[in-house]
Amino acid sequence: TQLLEQSPQFLSIQEGENLTVYCNSSSVFSSLQWYRQEPGEGPVLLVTVVTGGEVKKLKRLTFQFGDARKDSSLHITAAQPGDTGLYLCAGAGASYGKLTFGQGTILTVHP
Amino acid sequence: DAGITQSPRHKVTETGTPVTLRCHQTENHRYMYWYRQDPGHGLRLIHYSYGVKDTDKGEVSDGYSVSRSKTEDFLLTLESATSSQTSVYFCAISLGRGSNTEAFFGQGTRLTVV
Repeated sequence: TQLLEQSPQFLSIQEGENLTVYCNSSSVFSSLQWYRQEPGEGPVLLVTVVTGGEVKKLKRLTFQFGDARKDSSLHITAAQPGDTGLYLCAGAGASYGKLTFGQGTILTVHP
Repeated sequence: DAGITQSPRHKVTETGTPVTLRCHQTENHRYMYWYRQDPGHGLRLIHYSYGVKDTDKGEVSDGYSVSRSKTEDFLLTLESATSSQTSVYFCAISLGRGSNTEAFFGQGTRLTVV
């Protein structure tokens, strides 16, 4: 069974601060995805990283896939209240079509 | 937005009763999934389907069964609901091709077993 450990579980910061969320595993993933979920809604895909060492940027969000494709990070620069939500990482493994999710990080950005 | 509809959106049921949740997609995606979401556990896979009448178990499949008789519909049945099955249930779809398995989620069904 592939496991993804996501940290921290909770993050409460002030507007303008930077933050990083980590997603770690002992397993290799063929790709890793980050989702954002708002209350009462389903998760929505933010980005997919596929290649070891890959870095993708989405406005103030920077996503990185580890060289060994076992870990990933999400960095938010100058966080805003609109960034508040649950962030989930998910890894696609050897089993075709299956995703393993981390436990999630609840981010609260205070004005 | 991907065309995924879950029904019902909310349900309260009694312990021991069977419950069926429905997921309907209009995207013609091959893969469909049922997850449950509980605090501190992220999303855990219950069952998934890789085609009509082709299903497999996920990590928390005990007490659940699924059926897929048409590409667009994936049903999740709690055979005899228990309080531990109180949760938010999400259906998801994906193309499941290659190394990209991006999932598109429905809005969820909040199930309470009393």
